[in-house]
Amino acid sequence: EAQVTQNPRYLITVTGKKLTVTCSQNMNHEYMSWYRQDPGLGLRQIYYSMNVEVTDKGDVPEGYKVSRKEKRNFPLILESPSPNQTSLYFCASSWGQGRGNYGYTFGSGTRLTVV
Amino acid sequence: GNSVTQMEGPVTLSEEAFLTINCTYTATGYPSLFWYVQYPGEGLQLLLKATKADDKGSNKGFEATYRKETTSFHLEKGSVQVSDSAVYFCALSGDNNDMRFGAGTRLTVKP
Repeated sequence: EAQVTQNPRYLITVTGKKLTVTCSQNMNHEYMSWYRQDPGLGLRQIYYSMNVEVTDKGDVPEGYKVSRKEKRNFPLILESPSPNQTSLYFCASSWGQGRGNYGYTFGSGTRLTVV
Repeated sequence: GNSVTQMEGPVTLSEEAFLTINCTYTATGYPSLFWYVQYPGEGLQLLLKATKADDKGSNKGFEATYRKETTSFHLEKGSVQVSDSAVYFCALSGDNNDMRFGAGTRLTVKP
């Protein structure tokens, strides 16, 4: 089954404790992206990657890191989480980008709480 | 920059009512346009898309037409069901290699 797999689904952590949210896709998509979803703010892009070893900042990259060492994986790293990073996070992948984007496939989401 | 504006919710309808959720966009060039749906506790799913002016995207009884002259992509369904209750997001993908989302519209359909 074609899918984007995120782990974990739920995570509660303490301020300052480094964490990684994993994302893996099995569709050979080149384009991958991370979003956060907050009430009243919709989805905001954190980082995206157009291919292996090619990443770029989205609208809200502060406090986050990513890497793209393999085509299928695109982990999101919070080196020193803070309470304002409490949110619902989605990983997404797609064929093409820009006007050639065929539409995202989304993961099921990771609900992160930082206390 | 590119942006999407969609009607604020929540929207509450009775079963079999007609649905319209308005979406307008601002973009340079000719973006691709999308509607996504998010059911409770799940990720977003692609509902339909259109890639050029006058294209009509359709899926599961939902339709939306790419109107370049009014920069709009309104979502419609002739007869909604309780199972259509969800949050609907309009989105565009343009020249900047990102996908821009509207704020989402929550739809509740009552029996």
